[in-house]
Amino acid sequence: DGGITQSPKYLFRKEGQNVTLSCEQNLNHDAMYWYRQDPGQGLRLIYYSQIVNDFQKGDIAEGYSVSREKKESFPLTVTSAQKNPTAFYLCASTPFGRENIQYFGAGTRLSVL
Amino acid sequence: AQSVTQLGSHVSVSEGALVLLRCNYSSSVPPYLFWYVQYPNQGLQLLLKYTSAATLVKGINGFEAEFKKSETSFHLTKPSAHMSDAAEYFCAVSEEGGYNKLIFGAGTRLAVHP
Repeated sequence: DGGITQSPKYLFRKEGQNVTLSCEQNLNHDAMYWYRQDPGQGLRLIYYSQIVNDFQKGDIAEGYSVSREKKESFPLTVTSAQKNPTAFYLCASTPFGRENIQYFGAGTRLSVL
Repeated sequence: AQSVTQLGSHVSVSEGALVLLRCNYSSSVPPYLFWYVQYPNQGLQLLLKYTSAATLVKGINGFEAEFKKSETSFHLTKPSAHMSDAAEYFCAVSEEGGYNKLIFGAGTRLAVHP
């Protein structure tokens, strides 16, 4: 079945540690996105990528980094510079075109130990 | 700049009652509008989308939404609520330009009580 797979489902970060969240899609979509979700704040865009080896900062990119070495993969690293990383992280993908739907993964919940 | 406003962060209805979730948008170009639903600890699922065809859009699970350009609204309705409709609902507009970015509202949490 086609879809978006995020792993792990739950992740814990120690002080000063970098952690990487995985996002893989087999939908052959061009664009991929990372969102952060906090209670009562909706979804905020962290980074997005339209093509391989290219990505742009979203609204809250500080303390995060990404790579897009393959079309199907868009991992997100939460660095030690992100002082408040506890949140629910969602990955999405879509074909080109404003009318197209974004498809979402099941999310990763990150907590700080 | 484009924006989406969802009136009411929490809505509570009785089972069998009408569901009405409000969404207003701002856009200087013809908008593409979406409603998504999120169940606890899950990703978002598309309920329906408006892409300039019919102004009344039917989606999954008995939901529908009406695009009203004069009111810049895209409210979501369902005639009769089920317990299983309890979830968070997000309205979104596709951003102008070519990057397929979505601008989301803050969400409305729907509670359904017996």
